[in-house]
Amino acid sequence: AQSVSQHNHHVILSEAASLELGCNYSYGGTVNLFWYVQYPGQHLQLLLKYFSGDPLVKGIKGFEAEFIKSKFSFNLRKPSVQWSDTAEYFCAVAISGTYKYIFGTGTRLKVLA
Amino acid sequence: DTAVSQTPKYLVTQMGNDKSIKCEQNLGHDTMYWYKQDSKKFLKIMFSYNNKELIINETVPNRFSPKSPDKAHLNLHINSLELGDSAVYFCASSPRHGGRGEQYFGPGTRLTVT
Repeated sequence: AQSVSQHNHHVILSEAASLELGCNYSYGGTVNLFWYVQYPGQHLQLLLKYFSGDPLVKGIKGFEAEFIKSKFSFNLRKPSVQWSDTAEYFCAVAISGTYKYIFGTGTRLKVLA
Repeated sequence: DTAVSQTPKYLVTQMGNDKSIKCEQNLGHDTMYWYKQDSKKFLKIMFSYNNKELIINETVPNRFSPKSPDKAHLNLHINSLELGDSAVYFCASSPRHGGRGEQYFGPGTRLTVT
């Protein structure tokens, strides 16, 4: 069965530290990849997406992610986090040609001021 | 303007009751979804509709019945509520089907069954 793994469940960083959140999926076919963010008390919002082309995609608020097909990974990065980045981050995979979306279990990021 | 709206935002009810959650999107999207987010923040797809037609029905008890009166609305009716139904339910819409579109989420409905 298809699945999405986010290995870091809780991450605590100080402001200005660099961030990398892991995301791996299990599916051998074509996928579309997403990162969503859920700020405390708010709904999920799209950070960035990958459909095809350049495997390094840039999103909002200085986030970027790299798709490495051979590793089935789509890790999220930010060079310097801010206190306002404190949130829950979800990786999601859409199976191309279907309506199926699979979300990872989320990573709770806390940034200390 | 709210793109995807849900009502109510909070719903507290007793076991055995029947309740509905409404969802509306004003984005002109054809595809809409219902998700359940449990206490551990795990987000799982429940249903997907495309142009009012049911496309995905994951392993959800048949006490849950979605209804799409038109493309802009996807309501969720739950019969005989159980304690385990307590969760946050998110509605979402997408501009493209087939996994090609990002999802726009509503604010969620926190359902508490006592």
